[in-house]
Amino acid sequence: KQEVTQIPAALSVPEGENLVLNCSFTDSAIYNLQWFRQDPGKGLTSLLLIQSSQREQTSGRLNASLDKSSGRSTLYIAASQPGDSATYLCAVSGEYGNKLVFGTGTILRVKS
Amino acid sequence: NAGVTQTPKFQVLKTGQSMTLQCAQDMNHEYMSWYRQDPGMGLRLIHYSVGAGITDQGEVPNGYNVSRSTTEDFPLRLLSAAPSQTSVYFCASRLTGVTDTQYFGPGTRLTVL
Repeated sequence: KQEVTQIPAALSVPEGENLVLNCSFTDSAIYNLQWFRQDPGKGLTSLLLIQSSQREQTSGRLNASLDKSSGRSTLYIAASQPGDSATYLCAVSGEYGNKLVFGTGTILRVKS
Repeated sequence: NAGVTQTPKFQVLKTGQSMTLQCAQDMNHEYMSWYRQDPGMGLRLIHYSVGAGITDQGEVPNGYNVSRSTTEDFPLRLLSAAPSQTSVYFCASRLTGVTDTQYFGPGTRLTVL
């Protein structure tokens, strides 16, 4: 059974810092990995999707990497801003991209 | 496009009552799914559908029923609510390509007393 772990569970940083969120998964047979953002009381917003054949994806200040063989992904956020404060979730999919398995998330607080 | 919509936003039920959580999308997505989110446990897949008339179970299907009569709608039915079903429920949809991202609705917060 696929299990996804995210470390740290919570992170508090001053504005402007670069930071890294970690995600690990136990079964390397994935189709893709996604990073989501969730604001309090809201739904999930997809940030980046990395296909199993890719090593990384970038969007603005966000960069996600994937090492499928070691079962790890990182989300790098450059020059953090208070508006980045949210819960960040990673999820891996099997079965042709269906059936997402989520980690429990990292709660990020960026202090101004 | 309205994206993925869910109704109601909040609901309180008594043990044993039944109800249907509504989910609709206007993006012509073939794949739709339901997740529940509980503190400390992340999101877990309840049921999913790869197209009209086709549904399958996820990780935690017990106590829930689904059907998919149209591409747009994917309702989730609680037949006899239990306190263990207190949770936040999210509906999601996507096109069926492997590279397509999932779009999530705003969620329904359900409390079962």
